[in-house]
Amino acid sequence: NAGVTQTPKFQVLKTGQSMTLQCAQDMNHEYMSWYRQDPGMGLRLIHYSVGAGITDQGEVPNGYNVSRSTTEDFPLRLLSAAPSQTSVYFCASRFSGGQKNIQYFGAGTRLSVL
Amino acid sequence: ILNVEQSPQSLHVQEGDSTNFTCSFPSSNFYALHWYRWETAKSPEALFVMTLNGDEKKKGRISATLNTKEGYSYLYIKGSQPEDSATYLCAEVGGADGLTFGKGTHLIIQP
Repeated sequence: NAGVTQTPKFQVLKTGQSMTLQCAQDMNHEYMSWYRQDPGMGLRLIHYSVGAGITDQGEVPNGYNVSRSTTEDFPLRLLSAAPSQTSVYFCASRFSGGQKNIQYFGAGTRLSVL
Repeated sequence: ILNVEQSPQSLHVQEGDSTNFTCSFPSSNFYALHWYRWETAKSPEALFVMTLNGDEKKKGRISATLNTKEGYSYLYIKGSQPEDSATYLCAEVGGADGLTFGKGTHLIIQP
């Protein structure tokens, strides 16, 4: 049972570097999302997608890009990393019509930007 | 963006005691409320999804109630055990189908 798979688990970047956080799910979920978790801030939504080819911004989208070319994959791109992006990132997925559909989370990516 | 608040922020409870904490959310245009349990170094796992006013859900020693008219939900843990130590998150489902999370209640069970 793979569920939601995130890679890498840990990453250290220098300011200005770019990278892509990968997220894949094998549950045929329409809805996928990215959150960041910072101390005292809880989970904040970065971007989300309600299906292949459709993405939208969440609460804290600046500095991040996403795309959704397939149902399974939802990568998060940092084009020019900044220290403020040091955080733990979680990818999540669920079926749409989300009122009753629980959300499944990946194991998280711990990112440090120096 | 919905304003979901949880209290208390942290809670220390003696093993064997029962406890409860609160999730407050806007009561207008309510769709659903989710509760998640988040253990350190793991990812959040769903406990309950609640949709109807007066809903009560139970899973072992953990239960939850929902009042959509006044905009709150309570999570109860009966006879706390060390394995109950975790952060408990609630999240409201908004009109755009997204989840807005509270900051969580960090529960520590002391042996």
